[in-house]
Amino acid sequence: ETGVTQTPRHLVMGMTNKKSLKCEQHLGHNAMYWYKQSAKKPLELMFVYNFKEQTENNSVPSRFSPECPNSSHLFLHLHTLQPEDSALYLCASSQEVGTSAFYEQYFGPGTRLTVT
Amino acid sequence: GENVEQHPSTLSVQEGDSAVIKCTYSDSASNYFPWYKQELGKRPQLIIDIRSNVGEKKDQRIAVTLNKTAKHFSLHITETQPEDSAVYFCAANRDRGSTLGRLYFGRGTQLTVWP
Repeated sequence: ETGVTQTPRHLVMGMTNKKSLKCEQHLGHNAMYWYKQSAKKPLELMFVYNFKEQTENNSVPSRFSPECPNSSHLFLHLHTLQPEDSALYLCASSQEVGTSAFYEQYFGPGTRLTVT
Repeated sequence: GENVEQHPSTLSVQEGDSAVIKCTYSDSASNYFPWYKQELGKRPQLIIDIRSNVGEKKDQRIAVTLNKTAKHFSLHITETQPEDSAVYFCAANRDRGSTLGRLYFGRGTQLTVWP
């Protein structure tokens, strides 16, 4: 596998279920991101990890819980979700260097989540 | 925080015509402006980016212009082809001086190129 991979690609879950989304990057990057993409809305940044440390949580509800065990893997644990959480969840990675440099974010294919 | 506005939300052009998508941003400290293309059912992919030290950048049929004073930037696609049909997202960074920047995305433009 190359680039950024995500599993599963599709997930249907009930509001009382607990599930996890997985992201893996094979690019040697040091930063990883979770985005939410809903219809007719911009890509919403949820969480940012740099060198495994969470550096941003964009006021995301606690029913979404990220985990970054190392710089190559990122998880999003889901529990007691709401129907409005149905969306495409995209993972991305980039190589961050210095305070002013900003590099391309590489996206995974996404997990299409449906909450019933 | 950064607010990125993108227009139009949909754009239809005839094959061979040009397409222009415009974005404005609010944070004058932003210095990196990428454009992503997302084909149906696929992941967003970077097609071109520009940094604040230049006003224009070109790559074959695609160009991006930046006006820092007015805080707007535009994507120009010339000689459009049906395979250019996709959703295009603009973005701007917000660098807090930490080692990690943030990207804030516009709502996207659905471009349709008719043969």
